[in-house]
Amino acid sequence: QVQLVQSGAEVRKPGASVKVSCMASGYSFTSYSLNWVRQAPGQGLEWMGLITPSIPATTYAQKFQGRVTVTRDTSTSTVYMELSSLRSEDTAVYFCARKTLVQGNAFDYWGQGTLVTVSS
Amino acid sequence: DIQMTQSPPSLSASVGDRVTITCRASQSISSFLNWYQRRPGKAPKLLIFAASSLQSGVPSRFSGGGSGTDFTLTITSLQPEDFATYYCQQGYNNPPTFGPGTKVDI
Repeated sequence: QVQLVQSGAEVRKPGASVKVSCMASGYSFTSYSLNWVRQAPGQGLEWMGLITPSIPATTYAQKFQGRVTVTRDTSTSTVYMELSSLRSEDTAVYFCARKTLVQGNAFDYWGQGTLVTVSS
Repeated sequence: DIQMTQSPPSLSASVGDRVTITCRASQSISSFLNWYQRRPGKAPKLLIFAASSLQSGVPSRFSGGGSGTDFTLTITSLQPEDFATYYCQQGYNNPPTFGPGTKVDI
């Protein structure tokens, strides 16, 4: 069965960076794009970017351009999201999510989420 | 970016009730509209894709409709496990954007 397993919770100080991993299993890793979506406390869901593992190619939300980097390791079917210059507003749960190949461009499988806390 | 709005922001309902949530896009998105359920502490779960297609494994009491800019999610005969927050999301173009959510509670 399809699974996306993320790394554990992180605490960082303002100005630092964090790198979250997402290991995929149960499907062909290079056939689907993997996306990163976050949810800050009391806020909605916010798309950050994606990687197409086969190429690889990345696309980022304008809001995060220059601060986010998404990479992949095909040998371990793992995608990484690194966010730099952290500020308190980056405190959120970060999810990886697979995008479907069918109409709608939905996210059909999600990781369990990784809480990133930014605090001095 | 395409802006998504939802109404109502929250609603109170009882087990067995029929509930309808509305989602509106700031421009036409054809049928590129998806619905998710999020329970506290859990990842979002895809319920409906392409406006009206039921995701595999999702109970048939969930249904979606609409096209263009106006969409609905209907839950017939609400069950205890359906008390959650529901989000719509457009997949028409990048960046994908989500509605602010509708919280369904008792």
